Amino acid sequence: DAGVTQSPTHLIKTRGQQVTLRCSPKSGHDTVSWYQQALGQGPQFIFQYYEEEERQRGNFPDRFSGHQFPNYSSELNVNALLLGDSALYLCASSLGGRGRFFYNEQFFGPGTRLTVL
Amino acid sequence: AQTVTQSQPEMSVQEAETVTLSCTYDTSESNYYLFWYKQPPSRQMILVIRQEAYKQQNATENRFSVNFQKAAKSFSLKISDSQLGDTAMYFCASNTGTASKLTFGTGTRLQVTL
Repeated sequence: DAGVTQSPTHLIKTRGQQVTLRCSPKSGHDTVSWYQQALGQGPQFIFQYYEEEERQRGNFPDRFSGHQFPNYSSELNVNALLLGDSALYLCASSLGGRGRFFYNEQFFGPGTRLTVL
Repeated sequence: AQTVTQSQPEMSVQEAETVTLSCTYDTSESNYYLFWYKQPPSRQMILVIRQEAYKQQNATENRFSVNFQKAAKSFSLKISDSQLGDTAMYFCASNTGTASKLTFGTGTRLQVTL
């Protein structure tokens, strides 16, 4: 059973460019969350997708957008890249839709390391 | 809003010894979950242990246990019989259920030495 997969592993872009990161959830999972982890920091929540809609969003500008496909995979898009966008981007999948206080573990992928020059 | 604070940037422990990592949190929610995640150099975030706030009994997973002090909003992780493979960044995190985001602390880098 494949866990959460992310592509690419590493990416180098220049300021002003646009980037797309991809995530495939763990088999059977329908919810995908994205996190940004700057060097030496804890992950920061970007947004969460469930049933192809953005269900929650963290404190990130509109330059960060996403999409979830019918097969539950997801993309994170970042426009007009800034140097400060350099970070490890983590995707986590889980089972959603079970009620607010029902717990389902979030499984993380290995991340995509984005470097903006 | 939830906040999570880890005040120990780095810690070191000898193999087979016991170490405790500290975490404090703040939340206005009555129902929430607390977690400890491990992130080795491979970058994959792995869940070590979780605690439901409504449960008074401290969670235990093999060599890992927590000391959950709800009134003090404290959630520490104890690692017994430390192994070299425990070397990693450890993050304390919280959320309010399956549909909500995880809020992480800044992490504690643990080095296990011979």
